[in-house]
Amino acid sequence: AQSVTQPDIHITVSEGASLELRCNYSYGATPYLFWYVQSPGQGLQLLLKYFSGDTLVQGIKGFEAEFKRSQSSFNLRKPSVHWSDAAEYFCAVGREYTDKLIFGTGTRLQVFP
Amino acid sequence: GAVVSQHPSWVICKSGTSVKIECRSLDFQATTMFWYRQFPKQSLMLMATSNEGSKATYEQGVEKDKFLINHASLTLSTLTVTSAHPEDSSFYICSARPPGADTEAFFGQGTRLTVV
Repeated sequence: AQSVTQPDIHITVSEGASLELRCNYSYGATPYLFWYVQSPGQGLQLLLKYFSGDTLVQGIKGFEAEFKRSQSSFNLRKPSVHWSDAAEYFCAVGREYTDKLIFGTGTRLQVFP
Repeated sequence: GAVVSQHPSWVICKSGTSVKIECRSLDFQATTMFWYRQFPKQSLMLMATSNEGSKATYEQGVEKDKFLINHASLTLSTLTVTSAHPEDSSFYICSARPPGADTEAFFGQGTRLTVV
Protein backbone atom coordinates (compact mmCIF):
# COMPACT_ATOMS: atom_id res chain seq x y z
CA ALA A 1 0.00 0.00 0.00
CA GLN A 2 1.11 3.52 -0.67
CA SER A 3 2.37 5.50 2.26
CA VAL A 4 4.31 8.62 3.12
CA THR A 5 6.64 8.95 6.07
CA GLN A 6 7.90 12.15 7.57
CA PRO A 7 10.36 11.05 10.25
CA ASP A 8 10.66 14.42 11.94
CA ILE A 9 7.61 15.50 13.92
CA HIS A 10 9.09 18.78 15.09
CA ILE A 11 12.10 20.75 13.90
CA THR A 12 13.50 23.93 15.38
CA VAL A 13 15.96 26.11 13.51
CA SER A 14 17.36 29.58 13.87
CA GLU A 15 16.41 32.24 11.41
CA GLY A 16 18.88 32.28 8.55
CA ALA A 17 19.87 28.66 9.02
CA SER A 18 19.41 26.07 6.32
CA LEU A 19 16.54 23.61 6.45
CA GLU A 20 15.89 20.10 5.24
CA LEU A 21 12.62 18.28 5.89
CA ARG A 22 12.64 14.59 5.15
CA CYS A 23 10.01 12.64 3.27
CA ASN A 24 10.01 9.00 2.25
CA TYR A 25 7.31 7.37 0.23
CA SER A 26 6.19 3.90 -0.67
CA TYR A 27 4.65 3.65 -4.10
CA GLY A 28 4.73 1.06 -6.83
CA ALA A 29 4.81 3.29 -9.88
CA THR A 30 6.22 6.68 -10.72
CA PRO A 31 4.91 8.88 -7.96
CA TYR A 32 3.33 12.29 -8.14
CA LEU A 33 4.85 14.05 -5.16
CA PHE A 34 3.94 17.24 -3.38
CA TRP A 35 4.95 19.45 -0.51
CA TYR A 36 2.31 21.59 1.15
CA VAL A 37 2.52 24.14 3.94
CA GLN A 38 -0.23 24.81 6.44
CA SER A 39 -0.37 27.74 8.82
CA PRO A 40 -2.43 27.29 12.01
CA GLY A 41 -6.12 26.97 11.26
CA GLN A 42 -5.58 27.47 7.56
CA GLY A 43 -5.85 25.41 4.43
CA LEU A 44 -2.98 24.02 2.44
CA GLN A 45 -0.69 25.91 0.13
CA LEU A 46 1.31 24.05 -2.47
CA LEU A 47 5.02 24.69 -2.22
CA LEU A 48 6.15 22.49 -5.08
CA LYS A 49 5.42 19.31 -6.96
CA TYR A 50 7.20 16.59 -8.87
CA PHE A 51 5.54 14.78 -11.73
CA SER A 52 8.44 13.88 -14.02
CA GLY A 53 11.61 15.25 -15.56
CA ASP A 54 14.27 17.13 -13.63
CA THR A 55 14.54 15.58 -10.19
CA LEU A 56 15.36 18.89 -8.54
CA VAL A 57 12.25 21.03 -8.44
CA GLN A 58 11.97 24.63 -7.44
CA GLY A 59 8.98 25.94 -5.57
CA ILE A 60 7.66 29.09 -4.07
CA LYS A 61 9.15 31.00 -1.17
CA GLY A 62 12.66 29.80 -1.98
CA PHE A 63 11.96 26.11 -1.35
CA GLU A 64 13.28 23.26 -3.44
CA ALA A 65 13.00 19.50 -3.28
CA GLU A 66 14.90 16.63 -4.80
CA PHE A 67 13.32 13.39 -5.95
CA LYS A 68 15.59 10.41 -5.39
CA ARG A 69 14.04 7.27 -6.73
CA SER A 70 16.75 5.00 -5.35
CA GLN A 71 16.04 6.25 -1.84
CA SER A 72 12.29 6.73 -2.28
CA SER A 73 12.75 10.21 -0.93
CA PHE A 74 11.54 13.70 -1.71
CA ASN A 75 13.22 15.97 0.82
CA LEU A 76 12.38 19.64 1.05
CA ARG A 77 15.15 22.19 1.45
CA LYS A 78 15.63 25.89 1.93
CA PRO A 79 19.03 27.55 2.21
CA SER A 80 18.00 30.29 4.61
CA VAL A 81 14.90 30.09 6.76
CA HIS A 82 12.79 33.12 7.59
CA TRP A 83 10.65 33.51 10.70
CA SER A 84 7.55 33.50 8.47
CA ASP A 85 8.37 29.94 7.42
CA ALA A 86 7.20 28.63 10.79
CA ALA A 87 4.29 26.33 9.97
CA GLU A 88 3.32 22.69 9.45
CA TYR A 89 4.74 21.02 6.37
CA PHE A 90 3.15 18.03 4.70
CA CYS A 91 4.60 15.73 2.10
CA ALA A 92 2.07 13.90 -0.07
CA VAL A 93 1.86 11.39 -2.89
CA GLY A 94 -0.98 11.11 -5.37
CA ARG A 95 -2.75 7.80 -5.00
CA GLU A 96 -4.41 8.22 -8.35
CA TYR A 97 -2.51 10.54 -10.65
CA THR A 98 -2.58 13.83 -8.78
CA ASP A 99 -5.81 13.05 -6.97
CA LYS A 100 -6.57 11.29 -3.71
CA LEU A 101 -3.50 12.45 -1.91
CA ILE A 102 -1.87 10.41 0.81
CA PHE A 103 -0.29 12.70 3.32
CA GLY A 104 2.55 12.21 5.70
CA THR A 105 2.05 13.01 9.34
CA GLY A 106 3.59 16.43 8.95
CA THR A 107 6.60 18.25 10.35
CA ARG A 108 6.11 21.27 12.53
CA LEU A 109 8.78 23.88 11.89
CA GLN A 110 9.64 26.38 14.57
CA VAL A 111 11.96 29.27 13.79
CA PHE A 112 13.87 31.16 16.45
CA PRO A 113 15.11 34.70 15.84
CA GLY B 1 -3.59 29.57 -9.58
CA ALA B 2 -7.05 28.11 -9.38
CA VAL B 3 -9.25 28.99 -6.43
CA VAL B 4 -11.26 26.66 -4.25
CA SER B 5 -13.49 28.29 -1.69
CA GLN B 6 -14.91 26.60 1.37
CA HIS B 7 -17.72 27.87 3.57
CA PRO B 8 -18.07 28.33 6.45
CA SER B 9 -14.58 28.72 7.85
CA TRP B 10 -15.77 27.63 11.25
CA VAL B 11 -19.01 26.40 12.75
CA ILE B 12 -20.22 25.40 16.19
CA CYS B 13 -23.26 23.18 16.46
CA LYS B 14 -25.12 21.25 19.11
CA SER B 15 -24.98 17.47 19.35
CA GLY B 16 -27.63 15.83 17.24
CA THR B 17 -27.90 18.58 14.67
CA SER B 18 -26.63 18.51 11.10
CA VAL B 19 -24.09 20.81 9.54
CA LYS B 20 -23.49 21.51 5.85
CA ILE B 21 -20.11 22.55 4.48
CA GLU B 22 -19.76 23.91 0.96
CA CYS B 23 -16.83 23.59 -1.39
CA ARG B 24 -16.76 25.66 -4.56
CA SER B 25 -14.34 25.82 -7.44
CA LEU B 26 -14.48 29.49 -8.38
CA ASP B 27 -12.72 29.61 -11.73
CA PHE B 28 -12.87 26.10 -13.10
CA GLN B 29 -15.23 23.18 -13.40
CA ALA B 30 -14.52 20.08 -11.37
CA THR B 31 -16.17 16.76 -12.07
CA THR B 32 -14.60 15.39 -8.93
CA MET B 33 -13.81 16.97 -5.60
CA PHE B 34 -12.26 15.44 -2.54
CA TRP B 35 -13.03 15.74 1.14
CA TYR B 36 -10.37 15.33 3.79
CA ARG B 37 -10.50 15.33 7.55
CA GLN B 38 -7.76 16.48 9.86
CA PHE B 39 -7.75 15.69 13.55
CA PRO B 40 -5.87 18.08 15.84
CA LYS B 41 -2.14 17.89 15.30
CA GLN B 42 -2.54 15.04 12.86
CA SER B 43 -2.37 14.57 9.16
CA LEU B 44 -5.12 14.82 6.59
CA MET B 45 -7.05 11.70 5.74
CA LEU B 46 -9.10 11.32 2.59
CA MET B 47 -12.74 10.72 3.48
CA ALA B 48 -14.46 10.54 0.13
CA THR B 49 -14.48 11.46 -3.51
CA SER B 50 -17.36 13.62 -4.64
CA ASN B 51 -18.52 12.84 -8.17
CA GLU B 52 -20.65 15.30 -10.10
CA GLY B 53 -23.98 13.78 -11.00
CA SER B 54 -23.37 10.48 -9.25
CA LYS B 55 -22.82 8.98 -5.85
CA ALA B 56 -19.76 9.77 -3.84
CA THR B 57 -17.22 7.08 -3.18
CA TYR B 58 -16.14 6.72 0.40
CA GLU B 59 -12.87 5.54 1.86
CA GLN B 60 -12.85 2.48 4.02
CA GLY B 61 -14.14 3.18 7.48
CA VAL B 62 -15.99 6.38 6.62
CA GLU B 63 -19.71 6.23 7.34
CA LYS B 64 -21.58 7.36 4.27
CA ASP B 65 -24.79 7.90 6.22
CA LYS B 66 -22.97 10.13 8.66
CA PHE B 67 -21.14 12.18 6.04
CA LEU B 68 -23.50 12.94 3.19
CA ILE B 69 -21.89 14.28 0.04
CA ASN B 70 -23.70 15.95 -2.79
CA HIS B 71 -22.07 17.21 -5.98
CA ALA B 72 -24.97 18.84 -7.74
CA SER B 73 -23.02 21.02 -10.13
CA LEU B 74 -19.58 21.22 -11.69
CA THR B 75 -18.53 23.90 -9.23
CA LEU B 76 -20.14 22.87 -5.95
CA SER B 77 -19.82 19.95 -3.60
CA THR B 78 -21.36 19.83 -0.16
CA LEU B 79 -20.53 17.73 2.87
CA THR B 80 -23.26 17.34 5.46
CA VAL B 81 -22.35 15.96 8.85
CA THR B 82 -25.56 14.41 10.08
CA SER B 83 -26.53 13.98 13.72
CA ALA B 84 -23.22 15.45 14.74
CA HIS B 85 -21.48 14.33 17.89
CA PRO B 86 -18.45 15.76 19.70
CA GLU B 87 -16.21 13.13 18.12
CA ASP B 88 -17.07 14.63 14.72
CA SER B 89 -15.32 17.82 15.75
CA SER B 90 -12.48 18.25 13.32
CA PHE B 91 -11.02 20.30 10.52
CA TYR B 92 -12.57 19.43 7.16
CA ILE B 93 -10.84 20.42 3.93
CA CYS B 94 -11.93 19.97 0.35
CA SER B 95 -9.88 19.94 -2.81
CA ALA B 96 -10.50 20.03 -6.53
CA ARG B 97 -8.28 19.70 -9.55
CA PRO B 98 -8.69 21.78 -12.71
CA PRO B 99 -9.03 19.77 -15.91
CA GLY B 100 -5.98 19.08 -18.01
CA ALA B 101 -2.83 17.06 -17.79
CA ASP B 102 -0.39 17.50 -14.95
CA THR B 103 -2.49 19.84 -12.91
CA GLU B 104 -2.46 19.66 -9.17
CA ALA B 105 -5.36 19.80 -6.77
CA PHE B 106 -6.18 23.04 -5.02
CA PHE B 107 -7.43 23.11 -1.48
CA GLY B 108 -10.08 25.14 0.22
CA GLN B 109 -9.23 27.04 3.36
CA GLY B 110 -10.89 24.42 5.54
CA THR B 111 -13.79 24.36 7.97
CA ARG B 112 -13.31 23.98 11.69
CA LEU B 113 -16.30 22.08 13.08
CA THR B 114 -16.91 22.04 16.82
CA VAL B 115 -19.78 19.98 18.16
CA VAL B 116 -20.86 20.83 21.68
